[in-house]
Amino acid sequence: LAKTTQPISMDSYEGQEVNITCSHNNIATNDYITWYQQFPSQGPRFIIQGYKTKVTNEVASLFIPADRKSSTLSLPRVSLSDTAVYYCLVSLYGNFNKFYFGSGTKLNVKP
Amino acid sequence: DVKVTQSSRYLVKRTGEKVFLECVQDMDHENMFWYRQDPGLGLRLIYFSYDVKMKEKGDIPEGYSVSREKKERFSLILESASTNQTSMYLCASSYSGGREDGNQPQHFGDGTRLSIL
Repeated sequence: LAKTTQPISMDSYEGQEVNITCSHNNIATNDYITWYQQFPSQGPRFIIQGYKTKVTNEVASLFIPADRKSSTLSLPRVSLSDTAVYYCLVSLYGNFNKFYFGSGTKLNVKP
Repeated sequence: DVKVTQSSRYLVKRTGEKVFLECVQDMDHENMFWYRQDPGLGLRLIYFSYDVKMKEKGDIPEGYSVSREKKERFSLILESASTNQTSMYLCASSYSGGREDGNQPQHFGDGTRLSIL
Protein backbone atom coordinates (compact mmCIF):
# COMPACT_ATOMS: atom_id res chain seq x y z
CA LEU A 1 0.00 0.00 0.00
CA ALA A 2 1.60 3.23 -1.19
CA LYS A 3 0.99 5.52 1.74
CA THR A 4 1.64 9.22 1.57
CA THR A 5 3.16 11.80 3.89
CA GLN A 6 2.06 15.42 3.81
CA PRO A 7 2.55 18.38 6.15
CA ILE A 8 -0.27 18.60 8.65
CA SER A 9 -0.86 22.29 8.02
CA MET A 10 0.38 25.31 6.06
CA ASP A 11 -0.27 29.03 6.22
CA SER A 12 -0.29 31.42 3.30
CA TYR A 13 -1.50 34.89 2.35
CA GLU A 14 -3.88 35.89 -0.38
CA GLY A 15 -2.25 36.28 -3.78
CA GLN A 16 0.70 33.99 -3.00
CA GLU A 17 1.55 30.79 -4.80
CA VAL A 18 1.25 27.76 -2.53
CA ASN A 19 3.14 24.53 -3.01
CA ILE A 20 2.12 21.44 -1.04
CA THR A 21 4.51 18.52 -1.26
CA CYS A 22 3.52 14.91 -0.78
CA SER A 23 5.97 12.09 -0.19
CA HIS A 24 5.19 8.60 -1.54
CA ASN A 25 8.39 6.61 -1.39
CA ASN A 26 6.73 3.28 -2.10
CA ILE A 27 4.87 4.32 -5.21
CA ALA A 28 4.56 1.49 -7.70
CA THR A 29 5.18 1.65 -11.41
CA ASN A 30 1.52 1.78 -12.36
CA ASP A 31 0.29 4.06 -9.56
CA TYR A 32 -1.30 7.41 -10.33
CA ILE A 33 -1.09 10.47 -8.08
CA THR A 34 -4.32 12.29 -7.33
CA TRP A 35 -5.13 15.37 -5.27
CA TYR A 36 -8.45 16.25 -3.67
CA GLN A 37 -9.69 19.36 -1.85
CA GLN A 38 -12.15 19.31 1.02
CA PHE A 39 -14.05 22.22 2.56
CA PRO A 40 -15.72 21.93 5.98
CA SER A 41 -19.03 20.07 5.91
CA GLN A 42 -18.48 18.92 2.33
CA GLY A 43 -17.10 15.84 0.66
CA PRO A 44 -13.69 15.94 -1.06
CA ARG A 45 -13.50 17.34 -4.58
CA PHE A 46 -11.09 16.15 -7.27
CA ILE A 47 -8.45 18.72 -8.22
CA ILE A 48 -5.85 17.08 -10.42
CA GLN A 49 -4.23 13.77 -11.31
CA GLY A 50 -0.93 12.84 -12.90
CA TYR A 51 1.46 10.02 -13.61
CA LYS A 52 4.75 11.78 -14.39
CA THR A 53 6.30 15.18 -15.20
CA LYS A 54 3.82 18.04 -15.08
CA VAL A 55 0.07 18.35 -15.36
CA THR A 56 -1.83 21.64 -15.39
CA ASN A 57 -5.50 22.46 -15.36
CA GLU A 58 -7.56 25.55 -14.69
CA VAL A 59 -7.11 25.42 -10.91
CA ALA A 60 -3.70 23.85 -10.19
CA SER A 61 -0.50 22.31 -11.41
CA LEU A 62 1.01 19.01 -10.38
CA PHE A 63 4.75 18.48 -10.55
CA ILE A 64 6.14 14.96 -10.42
CA PRO A 65 9.91 14.36 -10.51
CA ALA A 66 11.43 11.53 -12.50
CA ASP A 67 11.71 9.15 -9.54
CA ARG A 68 8.02 9.78 -8.66
CA LYS A 69 8.73 9.44 -4.95
CA SER A 70 7.12 12.79 -4.28
CA SER A 71 4.77 15.23 -5.94
CA THR A 72 3.95 18.91 -5.49
CA LEU A 73 0.56 20.50 -5.84
CA SER A 74 0.89 24.13 -6.86
CA LEU A 75 -1.96 26.60 -6.35
CA PRO A 76 -1.34 29.93 -8.09
CA ARG A 77 -2.41 33.15 -6.37
CA VAL A 78 -4.51 31.65 -3.59
CA SER A 79 -7.55 33.40 -2.17
CA LEU A 80 -9.38 33.03 1.13
CA SER A 81 -11.71 30.54 -0.54
CA ASP A 82 -8.79 28.14 -1.04
CA THR A 83 -8.69 27.52 2.71
CA ALA A 84 -9.35 23.78 2.86
CA VAL A 85 -7.80 20.39 3.49
CA TYR A 86 -5.81 18.96 0.58
CA TYR A 87 -5.33 15.22 0.19
CA CYS A 88 -2.70 13.46 -1.85
CA LEU A 89 -3.22 9.84 -2.72
CA VAL A 90 -1.55 7.28 -4.88
CA SER A 91 -3.43 4.38 -6.34
CA LEU A 92 -3.16 1.66 -8.88
CA TYR A 93 -5.65 2.05 -11.69
CA GLY A 94 -8.94 0.48 -10.71
CA ASN A 95 -7.58 -0.96 -7.48
CA PHE A 96 -9.86 0.83 -5.07
CA ASN A 97 -8.65 -1.11 -2.08
CA LYS A 98 -5.34 0.68 -2.47
CA PHE A 99 -6.76 4.19 -2.18
CA TYR A 100 -5.32 5.87 0.90
CA PHE A 101 -6.47 9.40 1.70
CA GLY A 102 -4.47 10.00 4.84
CA SER A 103 -5.03 13.04 7.03
CA GLY A 104 -4.29 15.67 4.40
CA THR A 105 -2.80 19.17 4.67
CA LYS A 106 -4.86 21.94 6.22
CA LEU A 107 -4.15 25.08 4.19
CA ASN A 108 -5.03 28.32 5.93
CA VAL A 109 -5.07 31.38 3.66
CA LYS A 110 -4.90 34.69 5.49
CA PRO A 111 -5.94 38.13 4.19
CA ASP B 1 -22.44 18.23 -12.83
CA VAL B 2 -22.44 14.90 -11.06
CA LYS B 3 -24.69 14.84 -8.05
CA VAL B 4 -24.23 12.39 -5.21
CA THR B 5 -27.00 12.68 -2.67
CA GLN B 6 -26.89 11.23 0.82
CA SER B 7 -30.26 10.81 2.46
CA SER B 8 -29.45 12.57 5.73
CA ARG B 9 -26.94 15.24 6.81
CA TYR B 10 -27.35 14.40 10.49
CA LEU B 11 -28.57 11.23 12.15
CA VAL B 12 -28.81 10.16 15.79
CA LYS B 13 -29.36 6.52 16.64
CA ARG B 14 -29.09 4.30 19.68
CA THR B 15 -26.69 1.46 20.41
CA GLY B 16 -27.92 -1.82 18.97
CA GLU B 17 -30.17 -0.26 16.34
CA LYS B 18 -29.95 -1.27 12.70
CA VAL B 19 -29.01 1.82 10.74
CA PHE B 20 -29.36 2.45 7.01
CA LEU B 21 -27.43 5.16 5.19
CA GLU B 22 -28.59 5.77 1.64
CA CYS B 23 -26.69 7.22 -1.30
CA VAL B 24 -27.91 8.00 -4.80
CA GLN B 25 -25.90 9.19 -7.81
CA ASP B 26 -27.31 10.57 -11.04
CA MET B 27 -24.46 9.99 -13.51
CA ASP B 28 -24.81 6.30 -14.30
CA HIS B 29 -21.46 5.60 -12.63
CA GLU B 30 -20.38 2.00 -12.30
CA ASN B 31 -18.40 2.45 -9.09
CA MET B 32 -19.72 3.52 -5.71
CA PHE B 33 -17.95 3.84 -2.37
CA TRP B 34 -18.56 4.30 1.32
CA TYR B 35 -15.96 5.98 3.53
CA ARG B 36 -15.88 7.12 7.09
CA GLN B 37 -13.93 10.18 8.15
CA ASP B 38 -12.58 10.68 11.65
CA PRO B 39 -10.32 13.44 13.00
CA GLY B 40 -6.67 12.56 12.55
CA LEU B 41 -7.45 9.43 10.55
CA GLY B 42 -8.51 10.91 7.23
CA LEU B 43 -10.92 8.99 5.03
CA ARG B 44 -11.04 5.23 5.34
CA LEU B 45 -12.72 2.99 2.80
CA ILE B 46 -15.44 0.74 4.22
CA TYR B 47 -16.86 -0.93 1.11
CA PHE B 48 -17.07 -0.31 -2.58
CA SER B 49 -19.10 -1.67 -5.46
CA TYR B 50 -18.14 -1.81 -9.13
CA ASP B 51 -21.46 -3.11 -10.41
CA VAL B 52 -25.01 -3.89 -9.35
CA LYS B 53 -25.06 -6.61 -6.68
CA MET B 54 -21.25 -6.61 -6.56
CA LYS B 55 -19.33 -5.48 -3.49
CA GLU B 56 -15.80 -5.54 -2.17
CA LYS B 57 -14.45 -4.93 1.30
CA GLY B 58 -12.33 -1.89 1.94
CA ASP B 59 -9.99 -1.25 4.86
CA ILE B 60 -12.54 -1.32 7.67
CA PRO B 61 -15.60 -3.44 6.77
CA GLU B 62 -16.17 -4.91 10.23
CA GLY B 63 -19.59 -4.03 11.62
CA TYR B 64 -20.89 -2.86 8.25
CA SER B 65 -22.62 -4.34 5.25
CA VAL B 66 -23.74 -2.83 1.94
CA SER B 67 -26.42 -3.30 -0.65
CA ARG B 68 -26.50 -2.33 -4.31
CA GLU B 69 -29.72 -3.47 -5.93
CA LYS B 70 -29.81 -0.66 -8.50
CA LYS B 71 -26.95 1.04 -10.28
CA GLU B 72 -27.72 4.48 -8.90
CA ARG B 73 -28.17 3.50 -5.25
CA PHE B 74 -25.66 2.21 -2.69
CA SER B 75 -26.71 1.60 0.89
CA LEU B 76 -24.52 1.23 3.95
CA ILE B 77 -25.95 -0.83 6.80
CA LEU B 78 -24.84 -0.88 10.41
CA GLU B 79 -26.27 -4.19 11.57
CA SER B 80 -26.08 -3.34 15.28
CA ALA B 81 -24.84 0.17 15.83
CA SER B 82 -22.13 0.79 18.41
CA THR B 83 -20.73 4.01 19.83
CA ASN B 84 -17.42 3.54 17.99
CA GLN B 85 -19.33 3.91 14.75
CA THR B 86 -20.08 7.53 15.52
CA SER B 87 -18.47 9.31 12.58
CA MET B 88 -18.89 11.25 9.35
CA TYR B 89 -19.87 8.91 6.52
CA LEU B 90 -19.13 9.87 2.94
CA CYS B 91 -20.48 8.26 -0.20
CA ALA B 92 -18.77 8.62 -3.58
CA SER B 93 -19.18 7.42 -7.14
CA SER B 94 -16.95 7.23 -10.18
CA TYR B 95 -16.97 6.21 -13.79
CA SER B 96 -14.87 3.15 -14.62
CA GLY B 97 -13.19 4.54 -17.72
CA GLY B 98 -10.27 3.00 -19.52
CA ARG B 99 -6.81 2.43 -18.08
CA GLU B 100 -5.35 5.20 -20.20
CA ASP B 101 -7.60 7.59 -18.34
CA GLY B 102 -5.97 6.80 -15.04
CA ASN B 103 -8.24 6.67 -12.05
CA GLN B 104 -11.49 8.43 -12.72
CA PRO B 105 -12.28 11.16 -10.16
CA GLN B 106 -14.50 10.16 -7.31
CA HIS B 107 -17.50 12.43 -6.79
CA PHE B 108 -18.51 12.76 -3.17
CA GLY B 109 -21.73 13.58 -1.39
CA ASP B 110 -21.71 16.06 1.48
CA GLY B 111 -21.70 13.37 4.13
CA THR B 112 -23.90 12.07 6.93
CA ARG B 113 -22.81 12.89 10.44
CA LEU B 114 -23.95 9.87 12.45
CA SER B 115 -24.07 9.84 16.23
CA ILE B 116 -24.64 6.60 18.12
CA LEU B 117 -25.76 7.14 21.70
